[in-house]
Amino acid sequence: EVQLLESGGGLVQPGGSLRLSCVASGFTFSSYAMTWVRQAPGKGLEWVSSISGSTYYADSVKGRFTISRDNSKNTLYLQMNSLRAEDTAVYYCAKDRAPQSTLITYYGGEDFWGQGTLVTVSS
Amino acid sequence: DIQMTQSPSSVSASVGDRVTITCRASQRINNWLAWFQQKPGKAPNLLIYAASTLQSGVPSRFSGSGSGTDFTLTISSLRPEDFATYYCQQANTFPLAFGGGTKVEI
Repeated sequence: EVQLLESGGGLVQPGGSLRLSCVASGFTFSSYAMTWVRQAPGKGLEWVSSISGSTYYADSVKGRFTISRDNSKNTLYLQMNSLRAEDTAVYYCAKDRAPQSTLITYYGGEDFWGQGTLVTVSS
Repeated sequence: DIQMTQSPSSVSASVGDRVTITCRASQRINNWLAWFQQKPGKAPNLLIYAASTLQSGVPSRFSGSGSGTDFTLTISSLRPEDFATYYCQQANTFPLAFGGGTKVEI
């Protein structure tokens, strides 16, 4: 059974840092691209970052957030620095629906999601 | 960057109704489009990928169509458990993008 378990959220002051973790199980973690998506309170889904062979970021977080993975620990990370009030959201990690290939490194349509971890940026 | 525009933003419907949600991309995305359902307090759930392929375990009353820039999600006969918010997502190129969402209400 595929499971994704996020942790690391919490209350942080503006300008502070947090590192989110997402521990994966039930699939060959190293074979799949992974993604972070966030949802501000009462708002829609916002793509944040993805990692396949390369890393990709939304403009709103570029230069402040860093996505990484440790395949030996089946863990995805999101290092968040210089946090702002507008970063307040539930952060979800999600698994791409198909394993990466030489031709396609990201398929889209993430088929498994974690339960989410709440990040609140406030003084 | 590709922008995704969903319409309507909300729809009022009854059990048994046919509901259609549209999603328009600001440029061609071929069929790199997915649809998600989200219920309050829960993570999104993948319904359809590659514009028209039903994800395993998703009821057949859900269907997707379209290519290029215009896409449609149809629920053929609404059931009580279908009242939720629906999002489209383009995965043709990075940055990925979601539509603004469509809330299906009673």
